[in-house]
Amino acid sequence: GAVVSQHPSRVICKSGTSVKIECRSLDFQATTMFWYRQFPKQSLMLMATSNEGSKATYEQGVEKDKFLINHASLTLSTLTVTSAHPEDSSFYICSAKTGQGEGSYTFGSGTRLTVV
Amino acid sequence: AQSVAQPEDQVNVAEGNPLTVKCTYSVSGNPYLFWYVQYPNRGLQFLLKYITGDNLVKGSYGFEAEFNKSQTSFHLKKPSALVSDSALYFCAVRDAAAGNKLTFGGGTRVLVKP
Repeated sequence: GAVVSQHPSRVICKSGTSVKIECRSLDFQATTMFWYRQFPKQSLMLMATSNEGSKATYEQGVEKDKFLINHASLTLSTLTVTSAHPEDSSFYICSAKTGQGEGSYTFGSGTRLTVV
Repeated sequence: AQSVAQPEDQVNVAEGNPLTVKCTYSVSGNPYLFWYVQYPNRGLQFLLKYITGDNLVKGSYGFEAEFNKSQTSFHLKKPSALVSDSALYFCAVRDAAAGNKLTFGGGTRVLVKP
């Protein structure tokens, strides 16, 4: 089946630095990818929808200059957390619509970001 | 706007007993409904979905869910729970007429005790 590979699985960075998270579709082309943020013991909050070759669509309240999303190819979307601060520490998950019929979504394994 | 409610933060069940995780939804059009399971520090694993057709949907690991349009519910069920079913379960909905975005419920933690 469709697989989405997300890297890194865990990252610790210093406050003020930037971190890039990659999401790759391994065996299919993903024209649309989604980035979520999950706080401990809470649900997934959609941050943005990433479309190949165009600008991402951000949800209300999400700072697009802080969370840079690039979807330059049909198999790769990246989320860069710029000038990270401790409050950005969270679990970030990407997802892709596989195109295998309606309602087919595959999720990456997530990235645990800790900003110290 | 679409929304999902999972009224129970946690469900405790003894191994071998039936497991039910509740979900209700709200959409303006026809719903596409999903259940996912999440283990600690992992992404979401797909269990099952309802798009159209039979109201009873069978999915992975012995789980099933019943779409009830009149009650706008999509409860997840398993006849006999296993300790390994202990995890975080999410219900999600997509409005068929409102693009590709999924909206997730708050999640229900299931604890199956031996």
